[in-house]
Amino acid sequence: GAGVSQTPSNKVTEKGKYVELRCDPISGHTALYWYRQSLGQGPEFLIYFQGTGAADDSGLPNDRFFAVRPEGSVSTLKIQRTERGDSAVYLCASRQTSGGIDTQYFGPGTRLTVL
Amino acid sequence: KQEVTQIPAALSVPEGENLVLNCSFTDSAIYNLQWFRQDPGKGLTSLLLIQSSQREQTSGRLNASLDKSSGRSTLYIAASQPGDSATYLCAVGEYGNKLVFGAGTILRVKS
Repeated sequence: GAGVSQTPSNKVTEKGKYVELRCDPISGHTALYWYRQSLGQGPEFLIYFQGTGAADDSGLPNDRFFAVRPEGSVSTLKIQRTERGDSAVYLCASRQTSGGIDTQYFGPGTRLTVL
Repeated sequence: KQEVTQIPAALSVPEGENLVLNCSFTDSAIYNLQWFRQDPGKGLTSLLLIQSSQREQTSGRLNASLDKSSGRSTLYIAASQPGDSATYLCAVGEYGNKLVFGAGTILRVKS
């Protein structure tokens, strides 16, 4: 079946602009995660949704970052007043629980470049 | 705060060699530990997942071990091939299921 998809694959914007990044999880996965990966680093947790609600947003770096998942499927990560330091690959993952084993499936990511 | 460290940062080996990648973590109260592979410009592919109650998992030429008490995991790759060249990431699963990643080991297998 289809995996996790993310759009756009690349986004170039100017400092101060607003951007939205979209994640389509695997159908039926109730949990959804956003991570951010800077060059040469591992991904860092941003926010976790269980259904429509944000169960843990402790990784969001500041109030310029916000994410929604209004119908419990597609999620949008929103970044206001972008800064050059926001440049990174933003990864989305959705989670399946099968037989008590939790597995996160990752999308290909959106590469955000802030000029 | 959980911290995950991977050693070495980069590794280059000739084809056919067996190799070991190391991962250490600071807080032993983990839910699981997962090894991922990441190819340039691509997302993450899960290789092996070890539950906190398990000691090891095997898949084909890959074997991952977990020692919670010492905060260590190793990924063993047997008979390495050029197609194994990628970045390997270790991630600790915390309760609530968010993953804390190491910075990765960049592996190059030379033919």
